[in-house]
Amino acid sequence: ETGVTQSPTHLIKTRGQQVTLRCSSQSGHNTVSWYQQALGQGPQFIFQYYREEENGRGNFPPRFSGLQFPNYSSELNVNALELDDSALYLCASSRGEKSNTEAFFGQGTRLTVV
Amino acid sequence: KQEVTQIPAALSVPEGENLVLNCSFTDSAIYNLQWFRQDPGKGLTSLLLIQSSQREQTSGRLNASLDKSSGRSTLYIAASQPGDSATYLCAVKEDTGRRALTFGSGTRLQVQP
Repeated sequence: ETGVTQSPTHLIKTRGQQVTLRCSSQSGHNTVSWYQQALGQGPQFIFQYYREEENGRGNFPPRFSGLQFPNYSSELNVNALELDDSALYLCASSRGEKSNTEAFFGQGTRLTVV
Repeated sequence: KQEVTQIPAALSVPEGENLVLNCSFTDSAIYNLQWFRQDPGKGLTSLLLIQSSQREQTSGRLNASLDKSSGRSTLYIAASQPGDSATYLCAVKEDTGRRALTFGSGTRLQVQP
């Protein structure tokens, strides 16, 4: 079991609503990344934060936004939810910005949009 | 754009068999390659990390190889057990500004008792 924890584990939201997902990184890790995993697919990169700054972003619209806090924990915010946003959202932490070190994932948050 | 492909998509084997899972990627400019295991509805568990300068890594019954120039990696599982049943994902870390992991779609493994 990794030291990366995500909350909540499950969430049901209505289309058009907003949602915030949370992630606590492993001790000593200052980089947090977020991924979206649709059923039967591999995870897709949303964005990455290093020392409270976004330093990489995938092909996701601006309604996907994030924050990283001084203790390196992170939030993923999604506005104007759409049905296609239903997925498993995964948070990963690692050490360093241009890091060759291992990425450790949390257990994920299952988001269902109805 | 980096693309990662995993073959086969699904595999069913009897307990005790040795097996090989394949991963290929289109851009050889990578920092490293990581193999993960995912149980249904769960997060990812890291199995092995291979740096771009390395050829292989071993952990217990698992051995992963990397041929960066040809864009290929294999995960070898020795003496498979029912507890190995899961989806196995490979991911490459880009040597670019995005610093993202690019994943394949995974191989779903079922080990029959």
